[in-house]
Amino acid sequence: LAKTTQPISMDSYEGQEVNITCSHNNIATNDYITWYQQFPSQGPRFIIQGYKTKVTNEVASLFIPADRKSSTLSLPRVSLSDTAVYYCLVGDWDDYKLSFGAGTTVTVRA
Amino acid sequence: GAVVSQHPSWVICKSGTSVKIECRSLDFQATTMFWYRQFPKQSLMLMATSNEGSKATYEQGVEKDKFLINHASLTLSTLTVTSAHPEDSSFYICSARAVAQGSSNQPQHFGDGTRLSIL
Repeated sequence: LAKTTQPISMDSYEGQEVNITCSHNNIATNDYITWYQQFPSQGPRFIIQGYKTKVTNEVASLFIPADRKSSTLSLPRVSLSDTAVYYCLVGDWDDYKLSFGAGTTVTVRA
Repeated sequence: GAVVSQHPSWVICKSGTSVKIECRSLDFQATTMFWYRQFPKQSLMLMATSNEGSKATYEQGVEKDKFLINHASLTLSTLTVTSAHPEDSSFYICSARAVAQGSSNQPQHFGDGTRLSIL
């Protein structure tokens, strides 16, 4: 399983854009990159998934460079309710077994 | 869409009791379900992969006789913690992956977890 490295924590203020970069140097050809958000005492919530280039949905954007050795989750105009732990994972699209790293604790302040 | 329901959300029981946790995919069929454990302030640890109609695959260090997994249908997997002890107290979370739609990759969708407290 490809190992991921992300910052342990990030602080931001309401209305700002938050960018979290994840390193996955050993990503394999069949691996997808997926980001999840987790609030305390809840299961992780799917945010976005991509394979290469840029993916955008209603809540976030995911930027993946050509070598796919890293990815950046971009959260536009965060609010207090975006305070959570964000996990970057890579998984094979055949068996899709995921290995969670430590995640990034994002704290949004007023 | 892609809702995973987990039940119960909280259970407290005496040491030696067996506890069953259910994981259901409500609006999609899941050929594969996963069971995780999470201790306070830590990340999720994969315990086992459950495939419909076949035996579960356990991660190294996870006792298969202690954590019984049954995936009897495309929408239901159960985890039974047998003869639970205080050290089994944890937050257990399941996830389900939809049957693949053409070439699109289906992500895992997670339930809201079960807080298990063994006295």
